[in-house]
Amino acid sequence: ETGVTQTPRHLVMGMTNKKSLKCEQHLGHNAMYWYKQSAKKPLELMFVYSLEERVENNSVPSRFSPECPNSSHLFLHLHTLQPEDSALYLCASSGGGSKNIQYFGAGTRLSVL
Amino acid sequence: AQSVTQPDIHITVSEGASLELRCNYSYGATPYLFWYVQSPGQGLQLLLKYFSGDTLVQGIKGFEAEFKRSQSSFNLRKPSVHWSDAAEYFCAVGAQGGYNKLIFGAGTRLAVHP
Repeated sequence: ETGVTQTPRHLVMGMTNKKSLKCEQHLGHNAMYWYKQSAKKPLELMFVYSLEERVENNSVPSRFSPECPNSSHLFLHLHTLQPEDSALYLCASSGGGSKNIQYFGAGTRLSVL
Repeated sequence: AQSVTQPDIHITVSEGASLELRCNYSYGATPYLFWYVQSPGQGLQLLLKYFSGDTLVQGIKGFEAEFKRSQSSFNLRKPSVHWSDAAEYFCAVGAQGGYNKLIFGAGTRLAVHP
């Protein structure tokens, strides 16, 4: 148990579905991150929240909508996805500040049909 | 621009053999450097980190890495590999700033032969 829990672990959805990924951290951190991991590509940072405020959005399509209601929870709302969005979505958290370590969840494996 | 290069996509070693995974970075200032490991179906686990000071850093599971500023490298080493070390290894550089933004390399997949 890394202290960062992601649910669900696996998700299959059609292109017209709406679903949400959930991330919860039990480490008392104040920064949370969404990454996309596709086969044969480096990890792509999608969003960063620091103190519940979005501080980075790396040109992610609007069909991905993050939400950070408090410092312990992070959501990624999915709507009208494309097959190329199939990937492993990883959540991480850190204590804030550049010397703080990012701790990762186990990820959600998303398949878009 | 900041970047991380892991030149080896796949490496295969025999159990008990030594291991070195290469990592080169591009960064304008003193970098914060990390190695993470990912087992199949899992998230990333931190192996070790370098912030400053001694350029040889020790990590978990018997791994170590050496920061060489002149070569812009942060290679990961282990003197004797175990079958359980088979996984994917990621090098990352941390950007200095208000929060810990990481730039990852593409990863090196390690296979271990018995």
